[in-house]
Amino acid sequence: SQTIHQWPATLVQPVGSPLSLECTVEGTSNPNLYWYRQAAGRGLQLLFYSVGIGQISSEVPQNLSASRPQDRQFILSSKKLLLSDSGFYLCAWLRTPSYEQYFGPGTRLTVT
Amino acid sequence: ELKVEQNPLFLSMQEGKNYTIYCNYSTTSDRLYWYRQDPGKSLESLFVLLSNGAVKQEGRLMASLDTKARLSTLHITAAVHDLSATYFCAVDMELGSGYALNFGKGTSLLVTP
Repeated sequence: SQTIHQWPATLVQPVGSPLSLECTVEGTSNPNLYWYRQAAGRGLQLLFYSVGIGQISSEVPQNLSASRPQDRQFILSSKKLLLSDSGFYLCAWLRTPSYEQYFGPGTRLTVT
Repeated sequence: ELKVEQNPLFLSMQEGKNYTIYCNYSTTSDRLYWYRQDPGKSLESLFVLLSNGAVKQEGRLMASLDTKARLSTLHITAAVHDLSATYFCAVDMELGSGYALNFGKGTSLLVTP
C-alpha cells in the first residue's frame, strides 16, 4: 500500500529565516506530486506540482521554491520567510487511473 | 478562470436531521472529488465522482454529480456528531502536463445534540 510522509509536523520560524519541508511517498513509483497551502481560514492553494524528477511547475509566483531530487521525494523551500508564508502545507500524490489525490499529514508553519 | 463554489460555508445542524451541501463549478469537468478535514488534520478522501450521474454513498453521506448542471451535492442523512468537520469539493484543473485540484472554500459542519 502507498503512504505519504511529511516532516516536520510543526515548525515555528522567524521572518527572514530559510525553510525546508520534505515530502516522501512510499509504495508507488514516479507519482505526480503536489504542494498545496492552506492559509488560516481554509482554502487550499496549489503551489507546485511535479510529474517527475527535476520537473517542477509553479502555479503561484512567490518566495517559495520546490525541488524533486528523487522519484518519491518532494521538497518545498524558501530562502527568506515572510509572515504571509504561515499556513498548513500539504503534500499530495496522484493515484491513477482514478485521478484521486491523497494527502500527507501536513506541516503547520508559523512565521513569527 | 476555474471557480468552485460551495454553499453553505457554515452549517450548524441538529443530530438526526438531513441536509445537503452544494458544489458548483465553472468548467466542463467530468471528475469531482469530496474531501473531509477534521480540525488541525489533513484531508481525507471521501468520494471520487467520475462521470455524469455518478452517485456514491458511504454511511450517512451520499454524493452525486450532474456535469451538465456543473453541480455536485453531498447529502447528509440523520446527522451524528461524528460528522462534524469541514467538507471540501474539488474539481480537476488542467495543467500543462497533468492535473491538479481546484478546491472550493469548504463547508464547516457542526452537528449538535
